[in-house]
Amino acid sequence: DTAVSQTPKYLVTQMGNDKSIKCEQNLGHDTMYWYKQDSKKFLKIMFSYNNKELIINETVPNRFSPKSPDKAHLNLHINSLELGDSAVYFCASSQPGLAGRYNEQFFGPGTRLTVL
Amino acid sequence: DAKTTQPPSMDCAEGRAANLPCNHSTISGNEYVYWYRQIHSQGPQYIIHGLKNNETNEMASLIITEDRKSSTLILPHATLRDTAVYYCIVPTSSNTGKLIFGQGTTLQVKP
Repeated sequence: DTAVSQTPKYLVTQMGNDKSIKCEQNLGHDTMYWYKQDSKKFLKIMFSYNNKELIINETVPNRFSPKSPDKAHLNLHINSLELGDSAVYFCASSQPGLAGRYNEQFFGPGTRLTVL
Repeated sequence: DAKTTQPPSMDCAEGRAANLPCNHSTISGNEYVYWYRQIHSQGPQYIIHGLKNNETNEMASLIITEDRKSSTLILPHATLRDTAVYYCIVPTSSNTGKLIFGQGTTLQVKP
């Protein structure tokens, strides 16, 4: 069973389009995250939701809107795609608790977005 | 996050121990040290974390110096599949789950 899954794995689209990436976790975790890894391989957090509530919102253009229909899902919708949005997007989840368990995160396989 | 410093790259012979150092001299008393790795084209993978005592699990051992200003991740018998970028992270004590990944150490395990 895949713990954290993402769809699609690859996404190729034109500038200006709107697209969504879906993430699901079957670990029963309360917290989910979106990270972006650019072409230089830097991995940066974008958003975090805890029990459907936004708790981390880094300096991300408002074209990016996360949506959490329930605590097992965190989808990422991107409006008006730009060339600079091309990257690999990773979803992750964790279960907060004692001893800093927030930071023991389980990552999905990634979605490679290419904007042409 | 407390700043961490890692060597950009290291080599290790297959079957030998890989010792990956990390400097975190500004770490606070209640901040943990976390290690993750990212194998090519995959999502990052949690390895281990610790506060002050040495820790061991099925993947690795973590040795933290007594002053907590540095640590070493040890892969006891490196295999070719351990070739990856290894990240040492000290998250803020606010416990929000905000991990800041630096450049990490690219470990190349050679046959």
